[in-house]
Amino acid sequence: GAGVSQSPSNKVTEKGKDVELRCDPISGHTALYWYRQRLGQGLEFLIYFQGNSAPDKSGLPSDRFSAERTGESVSTLTIQRTQQEDSAVYLCASSLGPSGSSDEQFFGPGTRLTVL
Amino acid sequence: AQSVAQPEDQVNVAEGNPLTVKCTYSVSGNPYLFWYVQYPNRGLQFLLKYITGDNLVKGSYGFEAEFNKSQTSFHLKKPSALVSDSALYFCAVRDMGGGADGLTFGKGTHLIIQP
Repeated sequence: GAGVSQSPSNKVTEKGKDVELRCDPISGHTALYWYRQRLGQGLEFLIYFQGNSAPDKSGLPSDRFSAERTGESVSTLTIQRTQQEDSAVYLCASSLGPSGSSDEQFFGPGTRLTVL
Repeated sequence: AQSVAQPEDQVNVAEGNPLTVKCTYSVSGNPYLFWYVQYPNRGLQFLLKYITGDNLVKGSYGFEAEFNKSQTSFHLKKPSALVSDSALYFCAVRDMGGGADGLTFGKGTHLIIQP
């Protein structure tokens, strides 16, 4: 595709429910990142996928958060038993080369998650 | 550990005047440095990056940034501001030698260009 796409664009859920967010990276990009952007804050790194290597999960804030990616395609971020503090915009990005390269990351439009 | 500071929450500039959005960073080794812009209800767009070489980097929409190693700064500049430049600007860093896989972002600076 032309750019990184994410779905849904908005998600409203009740506290305690599970949610699943989807990201389609740019075709051919080997690296995929998830970030969280809370209101008035910068982006917070969550997780990184590179090809078929084990992901870097060092940014995940709790074990309620998990993510998967199949090969170099779609990724899903799952948040279990959502809490109000999970409310944020979740951004996905992809880059042509791995994280250690100087390649810039291309961002999707984000999913705005609101936990009531 | 790596970090980025954007000391100004908001910068106000009159249209046609030069603008500067400040960024300082901290990394263990040498940095890759990036500027991104976020327009309302849109994703982040890449503006420019510093890898190595010339300290003055030119990017999209007439923006440029100057890398200053001694001051650990990477300020974003534009000679003549446009109203359409009004947006949220993020500086980001990654340590060239390793460390976190994700970029480390500043908190962002709201740039407001007044007609």
